[in-house]
Formats: sequence, C-alpha cells, structure tokens
Amino acid sequence: EAQVTQNPRYLITVTGKKLTVTCSQNMNHEYMSWYRQDPGLGLRQIYYSMNVEVTDKGDVPEGYKVSRKEKRNFPLILESPSPNQTSLYFCASSPGDRYTGELFFGEGSRLTVL
Amino acid sequence: RKEVEQDPGPFNVPEGATVAFNCTYSNSASQSFFWYRQDCRKEPKLLMSVYSSGNEDGRFTAQLNRASQYISLLIRDSKLSDSATYLCVVSLNTGGFKTIFGAGTRLFVKA
Repeated sequence: EAQVTQNPRYLITVTGKKLTVTCSQNMNHEYMSWYRQDPGLGLRQIYYSMNVEVTDKGDVPEGYKVSRKEKRNFPLILESPSPNQTSLYFCASSPGDRYTGELFFGEGSRLTVL
Repeated sequence: RKEVEQDPGPFNVPEGATVAFNCTYSNSASQSFFWYRQDCRKEPKLLMSVYSSGNEDGRFTAQLNRASQYISLLIRDSKLSDSATYLCVVSLNTGGFKTIFGAGTRLFVKA
C-alpha cells in the first residue's frame, strides 16, 4: 500500500530533550516536506526537500533540522525542544522531479513539549 | 496580512444546500492552486486542483481568478459526509517549491 509513515504518532517530552520524528514514504517520491499545524494558523511549512541531499527552509524553520540521506526518509529533528513547538506535525511527499501539487500526507505526529 | 486568507466559518448548512467558499492569495508569483479537505485533525487530502479555466468534479466546482488573486470552491447538493475543513493551498516556485496553506474553512452539513 502506498503510504507516508510517521513515528511517533504521539509524544510528550520535556524542554531540551532532543527528539526525532521519522518520516518514510514508499512511493519513490522526490519531494518531501514537513508542516506544523496550529489552531487558527493552518499548516505552515517547516522544511522541504526536492531530492536526496537537497533541503531548504520553509516559513518556520527555526528550532528544527532535517536531513535527506535516502530518498524514502526525511526525519525532522528538534535538537532542544521548547513548549512553543507543541503542535501537530505532518510529513508529506509528492511525485515527480518537479513538484506537481498533490501532496500525500502522513497521519500526523502530535507533540507536546512540557 | 496572511498570504492565503479564508473565511474560517463555520458554515452550517442543511443537506442538499449549495455552499461556496472563497480564498484570496497575496503573492502574484503563485503558480499552482488546490483545495484540500481535512477531517477532524486527520491528514489533509487533495480534493481538487484549480485551473484558470475552472474545473468540475461531480458536485464540486473550483474557479481561479488570477487577476483578482481569488479562488473559489462550490459544493452542490451537500451531503453529511461533506462536513470537514476545506483548505485553500497555493504553491510558489522559489527555486524550490513552497506550499502555503490557508487556515481552512469549516463546514457542517446537517440533516
């Protein structure tokens, strides 16, 4: 089954404790992206990647890192999480060597930072 | 000013009603336009792309007006299952591809 898989789906952590949210897609998509969703603000793009070893900042990259060492994986790293990073996070991928528009989303990861 | 603006609603309509959502975007370099549907904090899913010529998919019609930087979605003969949040999405080619989501419009269809 074609899918984007995120882990963990739910996480409660404390300020400053490094964490990684994994994202994996099995559709051989070049484009992958991370978003956070907060009430009243909609989804905001954190980082995106056009292909392996190619990443770029979205609108809200501060406090996050990403890597794209393999085509299928695009982990999101919070080196020192803070309470303002409490949010619902979505990973998405898109086919083709150019972004075509249709994004396939993972089920989301709900993160709480205390 | 938000780059993509939508009326948050909620829109409360009876089954069978016709409902229209509007969306405006501020960046004239926007290249591609979409409506996504999101159910109750689940992942968004593509509803339809939006083209300048307008496009229709069953009960759903989308329109794009580039001159006014305005996108619309019309739902005819609303069903209970149409209850969801509808997200207006714009993408820009900035060397890479950035996607900008509106905050969404909530629709409740009631029996």
